[in-house]
Amino acid sequence: GAVVSQHPSWVICKSGTSVKIECRSLDFQATTMFWYRQFPKQSLMLMATSNEGSKATYEQGVEKDKFLINHASLTLSTLTVTSAHPEDSSFYICSASTGGAGNTIYFGEGSWLTVV
Amino acid sequence: LAKTTQPISMDSYEGQEVNITCSHNNIATNDYITWYQQFPSQGPRFIIQGYKTKVTNEVASLFIPADRKSSTLSLPRVSLSDTAVYYCLVGAPYNTDKLIFGTGTRLQVFP
Repeated sequence: GAVVSQHPSWVICKSGTSVKIECRSLDFQATTMFWYRQFPKQSLMLMATSNEGSKATYEQGVEKDKFLINHASLTLSTLTVTSAHPEDSSFYICSASTGGAGNTIYFGEGSWLTVV
Repeated sequence: LAKTTQPISMDSYEGQEVNITCSHNNIATNDYITWYQQFPSQGPRFIIQGYKTKVTNEVASLFIPADRKSSTLSLPRVSLSDTAVYYCLVGAPYNTDKLIFGTGTRLQVFP
């Protein structure tokens, strides 16, 4: 299947700082990417939909000023957690849509964020 | 987006066939059914996708009845490495609809 890669796999940052997570579609162009967060033993929660060249669409309850999403190219979307706090510690997962007929969505490996 | 309902958990033994059923009563005409597998601390992995009847690939089969209000993921001869959470999702691939995850089914395979 198609490959979606996230970087970094894990990151530790100090409270109050910002951290950026990258999501890349390695072998296909993705006009649409999605960002999820997942707490231990819970399901994935959709945070936002990222469309190349336009502003992201955030789900209800997700602070757009805190979770900045940029989708500058057809193969790269970034999630920046600004002014991180310990409660932002979570597993963040991106996915990318292959688009077109028979569209399939593939997920990245996930990124663990720990805010200390 | 169609809501899905799955059993919270299932247990099985190595070598057995496992069938996980998902209900999606309000599935739309253009919705496809997709199953993902997730291991701890990893992103979900695509398993299989279908629209109707039966789809089979090298790892699983997907059975979809005529009314499409449910679907069954069949894993033949499971092994310990199949212990994971399995998610059933429905959506319209042509619209690149966002995928809303339900609770998933936690499959535990015992030796």
